[in-house]
Amino acid sequence: GQQLNQSPQSMFIQEGEDVSMNCTSSSIFNTWLWYKQDPGEGPVLLIALYKAGELTSNGRLTAQFGITRKDSFLNISASIPSDVGIYFCAGRPVGQGGSEKLVFGKGTKLTVNP
Amino acid sequence: GAGVSQSPSNKVTEKGKDVELRCDPISGHTALYWYRQSLGQGLEFLIYFQGNSAPDKSGLPSDRFSAERTGGSVSTLTIQRTQQEDSAVYLCASSLGTSGSVKYFGPGTRLTVT
Repeated sequence: GQQLNQSPQSMFIQEGEDVSMNCTSSSIFNTWLWYKQDPGEGPVLLIALYKAGELTSNGRLTAQFGITRKDSFLNISASIPSDVGIYFCAGRPVGQGGSEKLVFGKGTKLTVNP
Repeated sequence: GAGVSQSPSNKVTEKGKDVELRCDPISGHTALYWYRQSLGQGLEFLIYFQGNSAPDKSGLPSDRFSAERTGGSVSTLTIQRTQQEDSAVYLCASSLGTSGSVKYFGPGTRLTVT
């Protein structure tokens, strides 16, 4: 089945630094999503991308839908302590017969040192 | 309510017992999804409902797992004869059901099988 390779697995940064994480796949996706999960909570949507090449920002967050439709990245600028959490990429693969199911990466755990 | 709610929030059960997990989607959302998240892992798709029918149940790991949805609203995920490997957080999400519509997640049910 489709798999998403998300990297890095974890990051330890200083407050104020910029962060970049990405997801790649051997399959083509027609939607890319980035979620953040805090301990004991469900994932919360950060950014949704629907077109190849699309670059979208949400405050200090910027994400892009890769031109090949097989990858996406998320950047966080000027990190702050509340950015701590696990970030997941998710995608809706092409060719799953209309199913709305999402495939998820394994997450990037972000730690921000004040 | 304003968001997706799940109950119970925590469930501890003995191996071999049956458990039922409940999901209340956002009002008006026709699509409902169940995912499973094992410790330190990404989300694994289980089943997806559009209305009361399940167009995609390809992620159910065995015939011990079943789910139903009645009245186009509440859904119940049932695990029969639980095994220790069933221990995980079970997450429910809902969406408007249109193609690519945003999926909103509940807080999850943490299941521990002893």
